[in-house]
Amino acid sequence: GIQVEQSPPDLILQEGANSTLRCNFSDSVNNLQWFHQNPWGQLINLFYIPSGTKQNGRLSATTVATERYSLLYISSSQTTDSGVYFCAASDSGNTPLVFGKGTRLSVIA
Amino acid sequence: NAGVTQTPKFRVLKTGQSMTLLCAQDMNHEYMYWYRQDPGMGLRLIHYSVGEGTTAKGEVPDGYNVSRLKKQNFLLGLESAAPSQTSVYFCASSYEILHTQYFGPGTRLTVL
Repeated sequence: GIQVEQSPPDLILQEGANSTLRCNFSDSVNNLQWFHQNPWGQLINLFYIPSGTKQNGRLSATTVATERYSLLYISSSQTTDSGVYFCAASDSGNTPLVFGKGTRLSVIA
Repeated sequence: NAGVTQTPKFRVLKTGQSMTLLCAQDMNHEYMYWYRQDPGMGLRLIHYSVGEGTTAKGEVPDGYNVSRLKKQNFLLGLESAAPSQTSVYFCASSYEILHTQYFGPGTRLTVL
């Protein structure tokens, strides 16, 4: 099955800084999603992005399917951005998502 | 809309006991999923369902059973709990498999 790897595993930022989180996957994807798990454990879907670029406020994501990676950009980070960011992907139309191990982000005031 | 809800939020079991976790969604989604989250392991799929009356195995199905008797509910059962099943369990749902997944708040289970 597909392998999903995220980097870096941990990231510490000063409030106001920008960051880029990377997700590499081992095969072609038809489903790729980014999630944020806040410090209280709640998982929120950020983007459904099997290809192309999307933006939502200070967050944006780009998936380059032909090169097998996706990037999540966080601009002007805030303490509320802290938590774990997960990338998940699947490589066919009838298989569920496989999750990476996440990037733990800590934003310091 | 409540979205995806899970019952209970916390539970402590003794080894060998059984229990059922309930997941409910009010978004009329076809697909429902059960994951477990362990430190450093990300989320791993236990079982999933592609519609009412269907179930399928995920990555780590051993020791768990599931049922989807109604479209809005997905039950996860542990027949004989083991300490290795201590984890946080998340339920999720999606309209189709190639659609956004929405997660419940999780259930923290401890098996002593």
